Amino acid sequence: AQSVTQLDSHVSVSEGTPVLLRCNYSSSYSPSLFWYVQHPNKGLQLLLKYTSAATLVKGINGFEAEFKKSETSFHLTKPSAHMSDAAEYFCVVSLNTGTASKLTFGTGTRLQVTL
Amino acid sequence: KAGVTQTPRYLIKTRGQQVTLSCSPISGHRSVSWYQQTPGQGLQFLFEYFSETQRNKGNFPGRFSGRQFSNSRSEMNVSTLELGDSALYLCASSLVPGTSYEQYFGPGTRLTVT
Repeated sequence: AQSVTQLDSHVSVSEGTPVLLRCNYSSSYSPSLFWYVQHPNKGLQLLLKYTSAATLVKGINGFEAEFKKSETSFHLTKPSAHMSDAAEYFCVVSLNTGTASKLTFGTGTRLQVTL
Repeated sequence: KAGVTQTPRYLIKTRGQQVTLSCSPISGHRSVSWYQQTPGQGLQFLFEYFSETQRNKGNFPGRFSGRQFSNSRSEMNVSTLELGDSALYLCASSLVPGTSYEQYFGPGTRLTVT
């Protein structure tokens, strides 16, 4: 079984300051990990994914995440927040298999960006 | 290339009725997955279809069912609706099953059960 825990339900940062959204995972197998973003009244968009290649993964819009097996973590970071980053962010784990696409979502972190 | 489309976008039904939601994947994508999003339970996997066959199923009662057509379009059906079925239902498509392939999500169908 696999699961993810997003450690913060809500994060507030000022525009131009760094963003850190925390995620811990649990998986019996070698996991694939993802971060998705959901803007209000919009569908989910993939920010980045880790599938056992480089441990530092770069995504869209300046976001990146580092896979740390020893800490079972996959935290999402961005050096400088922008107002348009305000949204709900989901950490997601999936079994690393070629035959299944079941995604297990975390509970989400709402990012608020203030002036 | 057009994205994943879901119809209808909004739906209001009465308890006990049934409902059918439709999803058209991105052209060329053959795998379709469905998810339910509620404030209380978050995002939960319903099922996945590939080549008109259900490949994977989440932990939902038998009232929730789906199918996929030869053109990869998918429908999900919920029978005997309950108040707790009120949710945003999201469809996602990918080229084929497997976590190496990105899942692209549609905007969702918001179902309200009264």
